[in-house]
Amino acid sequence: DVKVTQSSRYLVKRTGEKVFLECVQDMDHENMFWYRQDPGLGLRLIYFSYDVKMKEKGDIPEGYSVSREKKERFSLILESASTNQTSMYLCASSMGQKIHQPQHFGDGTRLSIL
Amino acid sequence: QKEVEQNSGPLSVPEGAIASLNCTYSDRGSQSFFWYRQYSGKSPELIMFIYSNGDKEDGRFTAQLNKASQYVSLLIRDSQPSDSATYLCAVKGDILTGGGNKLTFGTGTQLKVEL
Repeated sequence: DVKVTQSSRYLVKRTGEKVFLECVQDMDHENMFWYRQDPGLGLRLIYFSYDVKMKEKGDIPEGYSVSREKKERFSLILESASTNQTSMYLCASSMGQKIHQPQHFGDGTRLSIL
Repeated sequence: QKEVEQNSGPLSVPEGAIASLNCTYSDRGSQSFFWYRQYSGKSPELIMFIYSNGDKEDGRFTAQLNKASQYVSLLIRDSQPSDSATYLCAVKGDILTGGGNKLTFGTGTQLKVEL
């Protein structure tokens, strides 16, 4: 089974802090994704990566950056956390360019910015 | 903007009935279609996917795809209280137009299976 592990289930940070969310997958997947999920807005893609050191902006990249130094690890960085970044953050991974490959999700990190 | 539309619900069905969840999408070039189940406070888990027109069955679940109408549905037979969750429809675009790596999600339909 695919295992996507997010470093924290719950996280509380203060406004202005630099926040790191970590995600690791164990299936040698090429693609990794970061989403946030908010009530009524569904899942929104922040950034994704299809290879080591490669990244592409999703639909809502403002205020975020990412890092992918190793294939199995994809980090989301909140450069200067703000209260409107309080949300559930979900990491996912998928195999290559094969069009019928699903994304597999980690357990999520519920982030609160005070 | 590529869109995936779902009725937010809640859809209430009695135990043992068939639950029918529907999804429409705007990108005619979409290639693959996925259904995820999400329990409250948990992350989405894949139920099944479909990419050819027609029906695909997996246990109590049947996915139906009609590309001409840009419509995909999920049927749950013999609904159980444990099926109560939010069901997310996700659509994967066309590799040739750069959408092949990404999924576009609907906002989900909440299903309640009542005793």
